[in-house]
Amino acid sequence: GENVGLHLPTLSVQEGDNSIINCAYSNSASDYFIWYKQESGKGPQFIIDIRSNMDKRQGQRVTVLLNKTVKHLSLQIAATQPGDSAVYFCAEVGGATNKLIFGTGTLLAVQP
Amino acid sequence: KAGVTQTPRYLIKTRGQQVTLSCSPISGHRSVSWYQQTPGQGLQFLFEYFSETQRNKGNFPGRFSGRQFSNSRSEMNVSTLELGDSALYLCASSWGVGHTEAFFGQGTRLTVV
Repeated sequence: GENVGLHLPTLSVQEGDNSIINCAYSNSASDYFIWYKQESGKGPQFIIDIRSNMDKRQGQRVTVLLNKTVKHLSLQIAATQPGDSAVYFCAEVGGATNKLIFGTGTLLAVQP
Repeated sequence: KAGVTQTPRYLIKTRGQQVTLSCSPISGHRSVSWYQQTPGQGLQFLFEYFSETQRNKGNFPGRFSGRQFSNSRSEMNVSTLELGDSALYLCASSWGVGHTEAFFGQGTRLTVV
């Protein structure tokens, strides 16, 4: 069935370093992908999205890369800050159901 | 403008009871989706409403239901509560159908005892 999973459940980085969070998806029919950030006690916060007709999209300090050949999605955070500490979810939309399917999440811990 | 508002923030119910959760979307947004978040299952899609019509439904039993009003506010109801229904219930709103730039509320933490 449809499944979105993350390679690394926990990622620890030093403040100021770049972070890369990875995600694998299995539904080749998915045509829209989203990254969310969820801080403790809050709902997921939209970070950036990308459509399947794109390979890369940049935001403020964040970049999403999509490799459709290997069904892989990544989120790059430049100059990681303590405020970036949170759980990051990738999500896919598309196929026959058009449902938003979330991955399991990666905990990003930024060390000062 | 105000974000997505969910009420109540916390709720404790007893097995067998029913519960109704409320979600007020961002002004102008017409689509509301509901999700259940648990440590074991992660974030799971419940249903999506647009213009008072259910457009999509996740794989949850019929005890879970919802509706949307003409002002786009939405409610979800869970009947005959089970211990396993304890979770954070999240609502997200977006301008149109689908999940483009959906904005989440802080959620309602439901505990079933």
